[in-house]
This record gives sequence, C-alpha cells and structure tokens, in this order.
Amino acid sequence: KAGVTQTPRYLIKTRGQQVTLSCSPISGHRSVSWYQQTPGQGLQFLFEYFSETQRNKGNFPGRFSGRQFSNSRSEMNVSTLELGDSALYLCASSFGLAGYNEQFFGPGTRLTVL
Amino acid sequence: GENVEQHPSTLSVQEGDSAVIKCTYSDSASNYFPWYKQELGKRPQLIIDIRSNVGEKKDQRIAVTLNKTAKHFSLHITETQPEDSAVYFCAASMGAIQGAQKLVFGQGTRLTINP
Repeated sequence: KAGVTQTPRYLIKTRGQQVTLSCSPISGHRSVSWYQQTPGQGLQFLFEYFSETQRNKGNFPGRFSGRQFSNSRSEMNVSTLELGDSALYLCASSFGLAGYNEQFFGPGTRLTVL
Repeated sequence: GENVEQHPSTLSVQEGDSAVIKCTYSDSASNYFPWYKQELGKRPQLIIDIRSNVGEKKDQRIAVTLNKTAKHFSLHITETQPEDSAVYFCAASMGAIQGAQKLVFGQGTRLTINP
C-alpha cells in the first residue's frame, strides 16, 4: 500500500497570505488528523476528520480550518498567515478514530512565513 | 487542562545500556498511549502502544509500562543500538468530543546512543 502523501512539501509565503495544504491518506483509512510541529512546541493537534466530519479539534485560532472529501483526502487552510505559523505541518491517517488507532504520518509540508 | 509531560528532554546513553523515558498525563479518561519515534528529517513512526486495560507490553527490546493510578507511563529500551538514536514522543488520548478522543503529545525526548 502506498503511504500517506502530502503536497506541497515546501511552501514560502508572506504574512497576510493564505495557504492550502493537501493530504492523501492510506487507501481504506477514513481518519485524517493534522498536526503542527515546531522545535519548541513539539506536535500540536490541529483537528481530525473522519468520514468528511470534523470529529475533534485542538486549541488553534479560527484561521486554521480543514475539510475532508468523500475519497478521504483532506485539505488544511491557514488564512491571514503570521510569522508564528512557520512550522512543519504533518498529517496522519488511521483506519479508525485517531484516539484509538495507530496513525501513519505523511512526510509533512514545511511552511515558511516571511 | 489537557497535558502530557515528558522527561527527560534529552538522554544520552552508552551503546548496550538501557534507556527509560517517562510521561505523565492529566486526563483520567485517557485509554490509549502510543509511542512514536522520529529520526532526523523523517516522519514519526509508531514503535509501540498500550491500552488502559494492560499494565505492560513488550516487543523485543522495547517495553512500555502503564500506571493508571499515577497517570504515568514509561518507555524502556534495552540493549540500545546506534539506530535507536532519534526523538521519541509519547502521547495520550484525551479530550473526547462526541466520543472521539484526540492524541496529545509530549514534548519529545532526544535520545543519543554513544558507541
């Protein structure tokens, strides 16, 4: 089976812009979770989508949003970018809900905000 | 609040020795505790996990113990090898919304195995 893929792998944006990141889960996985990874904060949970429904969310501002399509692919959008949004954004897929099942991570999208 | 504390933040051991990483969690309803290994420049990968109905689980050189009363769990790596050098993250499920818990991760432990 192909692993979790993310596009693009690298992004450079300027403050105030918006960005959309994409995640394709392992075939058959219905859950996609998104995490922000920074050196100082570790892995911070953003949200989880399961069968096109947001099932849980972390403590991030409303500028961070996501969605999931019927084929389980997911997108994450960040509007009005801030310098502090620079991070590695990881998505992870699992067969069942993320809080109970092994998650498989993608390679990440490294976002740099200038 | 929803919190997982992980210690130590860095750990250096001699090859062949054992390494122990400890985590505490805040939510008594947590019932799933995975450990992920992230090598430099790579994605995190699950190395072992434990559920709340089990006190200990072992897989070759890796073991995890869980103390639900103390809300504490630990990763034990025996006979360490250079390829064990990586950042290790513990996580605990918590914060259920409509039956869906999320994973809250610890801050990570950078393990270095010295030859």
